[in-house]
Amino acid sequence: DAKTTQPPSMDCAEGRAANLPCNHSTISGNEYVYWYRQIHSQGPQYIIHGLKNNETNEMASLIITEDRKSSTLILPHATLRDTAVYYCIVRVYYPGNTPLVFGKGTRLSVIA
Amino acid sequence: NAGVTQTPKFQVLKTGQSMTLQCAQDMNHEYMSWYRQDPGMGLRLIHYSVGAGITDQGEVPNGYNVSRSTTEDFPLRLLSAAPSQTSVYFCASRWTGGHEQYFGPGTRLTVT
Repeated sequence: DAKTTQPPSMDCAEGRAANLPCNHSTISGNEYVYWYRQIHSQGPQYIIHGLKNNETNEMASLIITEDRKSSTLILPHATLRDTAVYYCIVRVYYPGNTPLVFGKGTRLSVIA
Repeated sequence: NAGVTQTPKFQVLKTGQSMTLQCAQDMNHEYMSWYRQDPGMGLRLIHYSVGAGITDQGEVPNGYNVSRSTTEDFPLRLLSAAPSQTSVYFCASRWTGGHEQYFGPGTRLTVT
């Protein structure tokens, strides 16, 4: 079973920030939080990951609560091309043979 | 780099036929894996490998065989196709010590 809980769907107006929540209340100290997205029926695409600090890259920001039991992925200025299913995954980073286990994700619809 | 490539893109099989889905990566990644995605569902892990000669089962391994004779290739074999194996199959790879996993474009398989 997936270790994360996400809302099944969300809407966001184009140009606004999209905030996607994820609950991972049973996360262990050595587990990272990963976000991937899947646009239409393409292969999933890596977005960002974090352990306990907030992270930012060119695609998104990841905010992890201090107790690490939840996180939020932020797309600062959503566009129509950000319409996709977003997956929040927790995984042990070391040893490196731990697989990614996907849940059902959140279907984000960006509306013009 | 071509990244992760999968062949064929589409395949139709009759029940009982066998076939091999091909997956190759040119990034020298040790870790490779296979997922299936049924309509409207998340990805489910079939098999994975942490290096040549080493494979392990994922969540849904029944009906599928894998082997890893080289770092570059990780084929998935269906010995006797069943309609329940109609799905989209994704191959992925990453460095064992890396965070980002790269996915192929998928193979769409229909078993009649």
